[in-house]
Amino acid sequence: KQEVTQIPAALSVPEGENLVLNCSFTDSAIYNLQWFRQDPGKGLTSLLLIQSSQREQTSGRLNASLDKSSGRSTLYIAASQPGDSATYLCAVQTGANNLFFGTGTRLTVIP
Amino acid sequence: GAGVSQSPSNKVTEKGKDVELRCDPISGHTALYWYRQSLGQGLEFLIYFQGNSAPDKSGLPSDRFSAERTGGSVSTLTIQRTQQEDSAVYLCASSSGQGVGLDTQYFGPGTRLTVL
Repeated sequence: KQEVTQIPAALSVPEGENLVLNCSFTDSAIYNLQWFRQDPGKGLTSLLLIQSSQREQTSGRLNASLDKSSGRSTLYIAASQPGDSATYLCAVQTGANNLFFGTGTRLTVIP
Repeated sequence: GAGVSQSPSNKVTEKGKDVELRCDPISGHTALYWYRQSLGQGLEFLIYFQGNSAPDKSGLPSDRFSAERTGGSVSTLTIQRTQQEDSAVYLCASSSGQGVGLDTQYFGPGTRLTVL
């Protein structure tokens, strides 16, 4: 069964810093990997989707990379802002129906 | 346009009661998913609907859980004889169903279920 791990579980950084969130998965037979953001009491917002044939995706200050063979992905956030504070979830899709989620990294950006 | 909506946002019930949770997907999305997020745990897949195909129920934890999707749109997740371990946030998502690996899932705000 696919297992997704996210490290660290929590992270606090001062505003303006660049940071990296890590995600690893055990089964490299994936269709895609997605990064989501979850704010307290709210649903998930999709940030980036990397297809299995791709190496990275960028959106604004966010850059996600995928190394499928080693089962790893990173989410890079440049010039962090207090509004970036949220829980970031990584998920891999291994079939038509199923996303396997990590338990997330809770990010706090301190003004 | 409107996103995925879920109702109620919060539900408190007594052990043994039945509950129904509703999901309205984004208009035109053919795929609909239910997930459960328990405290301190990751999201757990429950069930998946795609068009008129038979749903994938492989994630349902017990036969007390069932879901329907009427007319290819609105879905209802029903939990019978609720137990305290059913307490969680239930999230619904929809996607355009354009192809495996290509879809982004759009999530609703969730329903927080508390079983006393």
